Amino acid sequence: KQEVTQIPAALSVPEGENLVLNCSFTDSAIYNLQWFRQDPGKGLTSLLLIQSSQREQTSGRLNASLDKSSGRSTLYIAASQPGDSATYLCAVRNNYGQNFVFGPGTRLSVLP
Amino acid sequence: GAVVSQHPSWVICKSGTSVKIECRSLDFQATTMFWYRQFPKQSLMLMATSNEGSKATYEQGVEKDKFLINHASLTLSTLTVTSAHPEDSSFYICSADRLAPYNEQFFGPGTRLTVL
Repeated sequence: KQEVTQIPAALSVPEGENLVLNCSFTDSAIYNLQWFRQDPGKGLTSLLLIQSSQREQTSGRLNASLDKSSGRSTLYIAASQPGDSATYLCAVRNNYGQNFVFGPGTRLSVLP
Repeated sequence: GAVVSQHPSWVICKSGTSVKIECRSLDFQATTMFWYRQFPKQSLMLMATSNEGSKATYEQGVEKDKFLINHASLTLSTLTVTSAHPEDSSFYICSADRLAPYNEQFFGPGTRLTVL
């Protein structure tokens, strides 16, 4: 059964810092991996989707990498801003047509 | 991009009543939809997989008679919480599988249910 963990559980950084969020999964035979952002009381915002054949995806200040063999993904946020404060969720999908398994999230606070 | 909607976005009801939540794929057909539940300060947990034209598949520990799922068309799945109780208060999120041009799952904005 796929299990997803995220480290750290919470992170507080000053504005402008570059930071890395970590995601690990137990079953490396994945279909794809997705990073989401969730603001308090709100739904999910998709940030980056990495297919199993890809090693990384980039969007603006965000870069996500995938190392299937080691069961790891990282989300890199460059030049963090207070507006980046949110919970970041990593989710893994094992097969076409199946559900996502979510990690517990990393709660990020970027201080002005 | 593909859009999935949920209605209502929030609902408050009395204990013992039933609540129906709709999940619609607005610009694509979805043979498979998923229902997740999120309790405060926790992550999303899969409740059930909704398959168009057939019975839903429920995760272990989710009561199928309490959480009724109907996927009667390729663009609509409904989740009915029957005889709701305060412990059913949660954030319910659906997602839908788009098959073309490539397989991707899109999430709805969620429905916050509060049972008094």
